[in-house]
Amino acid sequence: SDVLTQPPSVSVAPGKTATISCGGHIVETKGVNWYQQKPGQAPTLVIYDDTDRPPGIPERFSGSNSGNTASLTINRVEAEDEADYYCQVWDSTNDHPAIIGGGTKLTVL
Amino acid sequence: QVYLKQSGPGLVKPSETLSLTCTVSGGSITNYYWSWIRQPAGKGLEWIGRIYTTENAITNYNPSLKGRVTISVDTSRSQFSLMMTSMTAADTAVYYCVRGPDEFWTEWGQGILVNVSS
Repeated sequence: SDVLTQPPSVSVAPGKTATISCGGHIVETKGVNWYQQKPGQAPTLVIYDDTDRPPGIPERFSGSNSGNTASLTINRVEAEDEADYYCQVWDSTNDHPAIIGGGTKLTVL
Repeated sequence: QVYLKQSGPGLVKPSETLSLTCTVSGGSITNYYWSWIRQPAGKGLEWIGRIYTTENAITNYNPSLKGRVTISVDTSRSQFSLMMTSMTAADTAVYYCVRGPDEFWTEWGQGILVNVSS
């Protein structure tokens, strides 16, 4: 079955740029969505369909997709960005359509 | 702004059936996809299944749960529900009810912790 692979952890200094990758064959043909989850909270959608930001999400958050790797980029990282980030793809042709990456812990140094 | 709230037991005995309800307020329950997603402590997200609230409610389930799951909707009460049979300790998790369009999830409930223990 399709798998989305994320690095377990990424560390970045405040004010710098963080990039979280999401790799997999399915990424080549489907839009990728990204969720932020802070401790003790429900996830929040931060990017959908590779590059679109929902209302209220800072412009510092952006997404891209090239080949078999999608990326979430956070510019000018702030302490409040420290969280777990999950990528997700919906593949309606698959018996198990909701494909979710294992998550990346972003640490702000 | 739509608000989702899960309700149900926080403790279920092994082999019993879990029943959770999600009450939707601040928006319509029709013509959306309503999912249940769970997360064991310290682990990632697992999609359980969803229901699409059109004229004929359409359901999709995670095949990994092997027929243990039923999701239903009561539009008159603005609620949708999850039933999961044959609960084991491996089902201990925070359970979220979630709204979305077809391919992603936009609004989440705050989650409810379900422990499976005798």
